[in-house]
Amino acid sequence: DAGVIQSPRHEVTEMGQEVTLRCKPISGHDYLFWYRQTMMRGLELLIYFNNNVPIDDSGMPEDRFSAKMPNASFSTLKIQPSEPRDSAVYFCASSFLAGGGSSYNEQFFGPGTRLTVL
Amino acid sequence: AQKVTQAQTEISVVEKEDVTLDCVYETRDTTYYLFWYKQPPSGELVFLIRRNSFDEQNEISGRYSWNFQKSTSSFNFTITASQVVDSAVYFCALRKVGGYNKLIFGAGTRLAVHP
Repeated sequence: DAGVIQSPRHEVTEMGQEVTLRCKPISGHDYLFWYRQTMMRGLELLIYFNNNVPIDDSGMPEDRFSAKMPNASFSTLKIQPSEPRDSAVYFCASSFLAGGGSSYNEQFFGPGTRLTVL
Repeated sequence: AQKVTQAQTEISVVEKEDVTLDCVYETRDTTYYLFWYKQPPSGELVFLIRRNSFDEQNEISGRYSWNFQKSTSSFNFTITASQVVDSAVYFCALRKVGGYNKLIFGAGTRLAVHP
């Protein structure tokens, strides 16, 4: 399996521009997570989906951030308009929940997108 | 509330030394999962291990070993005979059992192994 795929790997943009980050989870995984990593705040969960439905978006910092998962193999995280404080590494991760609902499956992370907003 | 504390911000060792990374967690749940992830300089997060709270057996995998002590809420990670390739940031994480809940990560410990 190719693992979780994220694009682009690096993005440099100017303040006020729209930024779209993309993620392809591992085939067969039914959970998808978006994380943000910064020096100040560490790893933060922004939002996660189950079977393409957003379950918990309490970590989304503000209305400028939005995430979609139109199908099982694709998700986007959009920032509009972007601000310098959005500069971070954004990770996508996926996992699956085995039968019974109590499995402890680990999350597999993508390589991340390093976003710089000037 | 759940919380993971990795008190060691940075550790520096010389190759072949043994090193232990500390992880202390807080949770009111009686059952939970604990994880360790490695983030090498290339940036990706690599899963290392998961542990159920009801399984306190220590685990060894090659040069890596994990010591889970429920009585002290600790899940420490030891690298024996460290190598330069072990240089990375290591994260400890906690998750509830049942359904699916988010991972709570510690702040990470940066390990530098020098030749």
